[in-house]
Amino acid sequence: AQKITQTQPGMFVQEKEAVTLDCTYDTSDQSYGLFWYKQPSSGEMIFLIYQGSYDEQNATEGRYSLNFQKARKSANLVISASQLGDSAMYFCAMREPYNMLTFGGGTRLMVKP
Amino acid sequence: EAQVTQNPRYLITVTGKKLTVTCSQNMNHEYMSWYRQDPGLGLRQIYYSMNVEVTDKGDVPEGYKVSRKEKRNFPLILESPSPNQTSLYFCASSFSGGSGRASEQFFGPGTRLTVL
Repeated sequence: AQKITQTQPGMFVQEKEAVTLDCTYDTSDQSYGLFWYKQPSSGEMIFLIYQGSYDEQNATEGRYSLNFQKARKSANLVISASQLGDSAMYFCAMREPYNMLTFGGGTRLMVKP
Repeated sequence: EAQVTQNPRYLITVTGKKLTVTCSQNMNHEYMSWYRQDPGLGLRQIYYSMNVEVTDKGDVPEGYKVSRKEKRNFPLILESPSPNQTSLYFCASSFSGGSGRASEQFFGPGTRLTVL
C-alpha cells in the first residue's frame, strides 16, 4: 500500500527566502512517480514538478526543485526566492504504475512580506 | 484550450436526493479519476477509469457510482447523498495511467458539494 507523509501542517517563510517542504513516501514498488501540486486559496490544483523513481538527477522547474533521496524515500520540494503568490497549500503525491495517485495531507505555506 | 471541466461548481442539496456531477476533458486522455478533498486528509481517490468501460474503485468508493461510456466524459453519481459526502470534489485526467511524466493529472476546477 502506498503512503505519503507531509509532516509540516503549516509553515511561514520570509519573502525572497528559500523554503523546503518535506515529503516522505512508502512503497515496495521499484517504479513510481512523485508529484507536487500547489493549491491556492482559489481552490484549483496546479502541477509543479515531477520526479521519476529512475531519474538520476533531481527535477527542477523554474524556482521549484525536488530534493529526491531515494534511499531515505523522501521527495522534498524546495522553493527558491519565495514570493507572496507562493502562499498556498502544497501537496505531495505518488503514483505506482497503473495504480492510484496517492496524496499527502498537505502543507500550508504562508509567505511573509 | 486544453482543460477539464466540471459542473456544477457549487451545489447544495438534501439527504437522499440523487445527483450527478459531470466531468469532461478535451485532451483525449485515457485515464480519468475522481477525488474528494477534506481538511487534513488531502485528496482521496473515489474511482478511476483506465479507458472507456473500464473503471475501478479507489480508496473511498462507498456511496458513489461512475460510468465511462465515452472517452471524454466521466460523471460521478451520488444515488442517495448523505451529509458525510459534503466535500470538495475534483475530477482529473491524464494521458496515461503509468507512473511516468505522462501520468501527470490535470485537474478540473472542483465542485463544492454540501449535503444537508
